[in-house]
Amino acid sequence: GAGVSQSPSNKVTEKGKDVELRCDPISGHTALYWYRQSLGQGLEFLIYFQGNSAPDKSGLPSDRFSAERTGGSVSTLTIQRTQQEDSAVYLCASSLGAVGGRVKDTQYFGPGTRLTVL
Amino acid sequence: RKEVEQDPGPFNVPEGATVAFNCTYSNSASQSFFWYRQDCRKEPKLLMSVYSSGNEDGRFTAQLNRASQYISLLIRDSKLSDSATYLCAVGQGANDMRFGAGTRLTVKP
Repeated sequence: GAGVSQSPSNKVTEKGKDVELRCDPISGHTALYWYRQSLGQGLEFLIYFQGNSAPDKSGLPSDRFSAERTGGSVSTLTIQRTQQEDSAVYLCASSLGAVGGRVKDTQYFGPGTRLTVL
Repeated sequence: RKEVEQDPGPFNVPEGATVAFNCTYSNSASQSFFWYRQDCRKEPKLLMSVYSSGNEDGRFTAQLNRASQYISLLIRDSKLSDSATYLCAVGQGANDMRFGAGTRLTVKP
């Protein structure tokens, strides 16, 4: 595809249920990021994948959140036992990758998944 | 103190006006600086990178002041279509990008 795609675009779930959000990055991009954006807020970093390296999970807010990236491409963000405070837009971004440890590359964002926990 | 701070606005300006936003950052080791534009209920899109020497793209000018730890975005001859939220992003490393909460701009006829 031409850009980063995410699915579903909207997800409404009940408190306590698990949800899976999917991100399909731009082909050839080795770096993949997940962010969360609450209404009127900036982007909160969640997790970062770079190639085959161990992901940086430092932004995950709790152990209910996990993510994986299979085959260096598609990524899935899983939220277990969802809470109302998890309601937000979850954005995925990809870039060509870090070069020399520096963020030199533009991050291209997907359209996001709007999660509503009732 | 937040790592990246922006005036949330809103900035309401008439068409043709010049408007400027600032974004301050707390980590002096920051290496990469960007301005993103985000339309309502859309994803952020890169507007421009910010280089040490400053850079200009048409009506948009971005500058970096390392001594005072801020970046700025200047929009000249503003258009109705410039109405959006402008996010600054500051990177300290490969996986350490921090975004501001955004400055909302409304350009009115």
